[in-house]
Amino acid sequence: AQSVTQPDIHITVSEGASLELRCNYSYGATPYLFWYVQSPGQGLQLLLKYFSGDTLVQGIKGFEAEFKRSQSSFNLRKPSVHWSDAAEYFCAVSGYSTLTFGKGTMLLVSP
Amino acid sequence: NAGVTQTPKFRVLKTGQSMTLLCAQDMNHEYMYWYRQDPGMGLRLIHYSVGEGTTAKGEVPDGYNVSRLKKQNFLLGLESAAPSQTSVYFCASSYGLGTEAFFGQGTRLTVV
Repeated sequence: AQSVTQPDIHITVSEGASLELRCNYSYGATPYLFWYVQSPGQGLQLLLKYFSGDTLVQGIKGFEAEFKRSQSSFNLRKPSVHWSDAAEYFCAVSGYSTLTFGKGTMLLVSP
Repeated sequence: NAGVTQTPKFRVLKTGQSMTLLCAQDMNHEYMYWYRQDPGMGLRLIHYSVGEGTTAKGEVPDGYNVSRLKKQNFLLGLESAAPSQTSVYFCASSYGLGTEAFFGQGTRLTVV
């Protein structure tokens, strides 16, 4: 079975500081990996995805993520956080016909 | 440019009542999913479909049924609602395995 672990429930970052959100996955083959963002009261929006090839992927809103097979990780990064980035972030893995999500990390941005 | 549309957006049910949530997508996607989102639990898969006429159980299927009679629609039914089914329900669709899933805006269901 596939699974996703997001170790951090909440993270607080100062505006302008860098951000890294952790994601570890479990899947028996090469995974399809995603990061989604959810603003309060909204649905989920795709930030970026990894299918194959270059292990560093670029997404929208200045986000990037790095796939590390040896660590089974797909961490999300942003060099400089903006107040509008405050939201909940979900990592997901696609395989065996389903899309499985982690429990999410809530990002708080302090002035 | 509708994408994925969920109906209704809000609903309050009494314990034991039944209801159907409708999900419609206009992107000709094969795969459709129903998730529930609860605080601290992320999104948990209830049922999914890999094509018209097919359905399969996800992680938390008990108390729910689904149907996919038309490719563009995926219905989620609660036959006898329970307070434990109070949640926000999201529908999603995608072209296939490993492709981007597009989400609806969610249905907030309260069972009293």
